[in-house]
Amino acid sequence: EPEVTQTPSHQVTQMGQEVILRCVPISNHLYFYWYRQILGQKVEFLVSFYNNEISEKSEIFDDQFSVERPDGSNFTLKIRSTKLEDSAMYFCASSGRAYSNQPQHFGDGTRLSIL
Amino acid sequence: DQQVKQNSPSLSVQEGRISILNCDYTNSMFDYFLWYKKYPAEGPTFLISISSIKDKNEDGRFTVFLNKSAKHLSLHIVPSQPGDSAVYFCAASAGGFGNEKLTFGTGTRLTIIP
Repeated sequence: EPEVTQTPSHQVTQMGQEVILRCVPISNHLYFYWYRQILGQKVEFLVSFYNNEISEKSEIFDDQFSVERPDGSNFTLKIRSTKLEDSAMYFCASSGRAYSNQPQHFGDGTRLSIL
Repeated sequence: DQQVKQNSPSLSVQEGRISILNCDYTNSMFDYFLWYKKYPAEGPTFLISISSIKDKNEDGRFTVFLNKSAKHLSLHIVPSQPGDSAVYFCAASAGGFGNEKLTFGTGTRLTIIP
């Protein structure tokens, strides 16, 4: 069964450094998302991406964050200058055709640890 | 932000019996509801969904019930199996066109006792 893959599984970064989290969504999907889960808290929406542009973003997704689909397969989340509070599990998700309810399928996440 | 609530953090059920997980929501704009299952060190795995135009959806051992007037949904697992032990998340979206952001509950840890 097709799946969403994320790399790396664990990323350790010094505060203030830039980090890029990578995702390969399911190949025929059209919508792409990033969510995060801080330890002990809910899974929270960060951003959705469709047709090569952001379709919605949360208030968490400030100027430090950016997303990109640099080619036909990868979808990346960049955090420009990491803060301690960015430590979390980051999940990428994708979903299928437009204008119908389609479940989002999630990758196994990247654990980001900011030191 | 408590738009989606799962009030039971944990639930233990005997193998073979029915597991019932509950979820309440407050946002009347939600029109698509999903259940995800999550094992440690893995991402959420989609289980079953329901649109607000229905009140029941069934897939094998899993059935989701939606009560719009009470803003309540539940997931029934029958019969429960040891492999069902995981954290279950309820999620909801609004907008009617599909593919909108998901709002998650806090999860219920289900333990199936052999």
